[in-house]
Amino acid sequence: DAKTTQPPSMDCAEGRAANLPCNHSTISGNEYVYWYRQIHSQGPQYIIHGLKNNETNEMASLIITEDRKSSTLILPHATLRDTAVYYCIVRVYGSQGNLIFGKGTKLSVKP
Amino acid sequence: EAEVAQSPRYKITEKSQAVAFWCDPISGHATLYWYRQILGQGPELLVQFQDESVVDDSQLPKDRFSAERLKGVDSTLKIQPAELGDSAMYLCASSLDSASYNEQFFGPGTRLTVL
Repeated sequence: DAKTTQPPSMDCAEGRAANLPCNHSTISGNEYVYWYRQIHSQGPQYIIHGLKNNETNEMASLIITEDRKSSTLILPHATLRDTAVYYCIVRVYGSQGNLIFGKGTKLSVKP
Repeated sequence: EAEVAQSPRYKITEKSQAVAFWCDPISGHATLYWYRQILGQGPELLVQFQDESVVDDSQLPKDRFSAERLKGVDSTLKIQPAELGDSAMYLCASSLDSASYNEQFFGPGTRLTVL
């Protein structure tokens, strides 16, 4: 079973920041937080991952709370093309095997 | 940019028929995954290969599903006979190896409809 909890859906206005929360209260010390997204009719796409420090790349920023029990994915300037299902996944870094997806958050970016 | 290829993109079949899906991973990727995604749910692993060997098929319904990766490159997933409940998106993914710090790259999927 997925070890994360996400809201089923969120709306965001185009050009505004989209902040997607994820709860992972049972995360272990050696587990990282990964984010993937899935645009309609496509396969999932990796976005970002982190352990405890905030991370930023060309797609998004990941903010992890100090106690690591929750995190927020930030899309700084959401566009219509960011409309997708966003999945938060916890996983031991270097572990073997598949990704365990929950139901994710359906983000709708509106004009 | 290298991509995972899958075919067909869409397949409609009648129950009790056989279907097969093909996946060509990114060149050099040793690990290949097949996931099944039911509408409204996240993908779930069916089978994982490391080169030509199956390393996890615990969720594969072996009475009707089979998967192979004979030369450790491309892979085929087969269902025989198909059932109505098999209607889903079948996703293939690959990574350099199975360690979690290696990004998994997903193909576009095959949408199966069983009538």
